[in-house]
Amino acid sequence: DTAVSQTPKYLVTQMGNDKSIKCEQNLGHDTMYWYKQDSKKFLKIMFSYNNKELIINETVPNRFSPKSPDKAHLNLHINSLELGDSAVYFCASSQEPQGATDTQYFGPGTRLTVL
Amino acid sequence: GQNIDQPTEMTATEGAIVQINCTYQTSGFNGLFWYQQHAGEAPTFLSYNVLDGLEEKGRFSSFLSRSKGYSYLLLKELQMKDSASYLCAVANQAGTALIFGKGTTLSVSS
Repeated sequence: DTAVSQTPKYLVTQMGNDKSIKCEQNLGHDTMYWYKQDSKKFLKIMFSYNNKELIINETVPNRFSPKSPDKAHLNLHINSLELGDSAVYFCASSQEPQGATDTQYFGPGTRLTVL
Repeated sequence: GQNIDQPTEMTATEGAIVQINCTYQTSGFNGLFWYQQHAGEAPTFLSYNVLDGLEEKGRFSSFLSRSKGYSYLLLKELQMKDSASYLCAVANQAGTALIFGKGTTLSVSS
């Protein structure tokens, strides 16, 4: 019973392509997040959604578009992939919208490699 | 703005005690988290401090001093499986997301 799941686990693609990463949580949480972890292991918030509504967009290029069809899912679509997009992308969820005070549960990560 | 500092790397031996420090500067404060991340895996929750003092949980303890903008994670009776990155995190100004430090990679040797 995986609490937060992501697909795919690995994604290798060419520059300029468009790709999507899917995330699902079965914890009944109201808030979901996308983080990017670069090669130096720095984990940085990208987006936060609460009950399908966008709360945070941390100066992420508009090539990245999150979509939340329902509160259990938060997918990430990336257009026109660039070399600098290579990273591990983590999805996470928490019960409360104030993610600062509530434990976040992370998915296993998607390692994206752009060639 | 938010700024979080922690050492990049630390080493220790099995059975020892290690203290990982974290200093932070934030516009507001809603508490401080420690997460553990093994190589190639997701971060997992270790502790949350919102009041000053020491919180103990088994072999791990976390301390907070809000006036000093300082926290530490104390790991006792180190085991090889404790080799991981330890991430310090505080809230953004709106309290809606966590800002993570760059993490401290701990290597435990026998």
